[in-house]
Amino acid sequence: QKEVEQNSGPLSVPEGAIASLNCTYSDRVSQSFFWYRQYSGKSPELIMSIYSNGDKEDGRFTAQLNKASQYVSLLIRDSQPSDSATYLCAVKSGGADGLTFGKGTHLIIQP
Amino acid sequence: DAGVTQSPTHLIKTRGQQVTLRCSPKSGHDTVSWYQQALGQGPQFIFQYYEEEERQRGNFPDRFSGHQFPNYSSELNVNALLLGDSALYLCASSPYVGQGAQAFFGQGTRLTVV
Repeated sequence: QKEVEQNSGPLSVPEGAIASLNCTYSDRVSQSFFWYRQYSGKSPELIMSIYSNGDKEDGRFTAQLNKASQYVSLLIRDSQPSDSATYLCAVKSGGADGLTFGKGTHLIIQP
Repeated sequence: DAGVTQSPTHLIKTRGQQVTLRCSPKSGHDTVSWYQQALGQGPQFIFQYYEEEERQRGNFPDRFSGHQFPNYSSELNVNALLLGDSALYLCASSPYVGQGAQAFFGQGTRLTVV
């Protein structure tokens, strides 16, 4: 049974600070890792993907992957109130696999 | 360029009825996956279609079935609806190329079973 674990939160971060979101996964053969942002009542929006160990940066977002520890993280720099949402970690083993999602972390950016 | 589109956006059905949800993938994408998202949970994978065939299936009963058409659009059918089938149903499209194929979601269909 593939599992993806996330702290459900809420995680409260002051505006302008760094928000750090974490995710662990159980399937060692997982090869693709994604972060989705989901606003209340809306569908998930892809914000980052990462496939190899290390860091990947895109604007204010940095994804970090450590396959040995089966750990993925998302850093959001200079957090804005518009970043307040639920962040979903998703994992794919490869090929034609569907995504396995965590339950999501509810992030609140305090003005 | 239109993204992933789903219809209808909202639906109310009675327990025991059948429902059909529809999805048009993003231009250039040939693979469609369906997910069920209950309130407060992450999306759960139902199944994936490529070349008009079901390629992979999650842990859902046979009441959930689907179809993909030659133009890559897809339908999700749910028979004998239960109250527990009330959820947001999400369609995601992606290219069928290797492990990095990124999936993009439609706006979802909110199904309420009464």
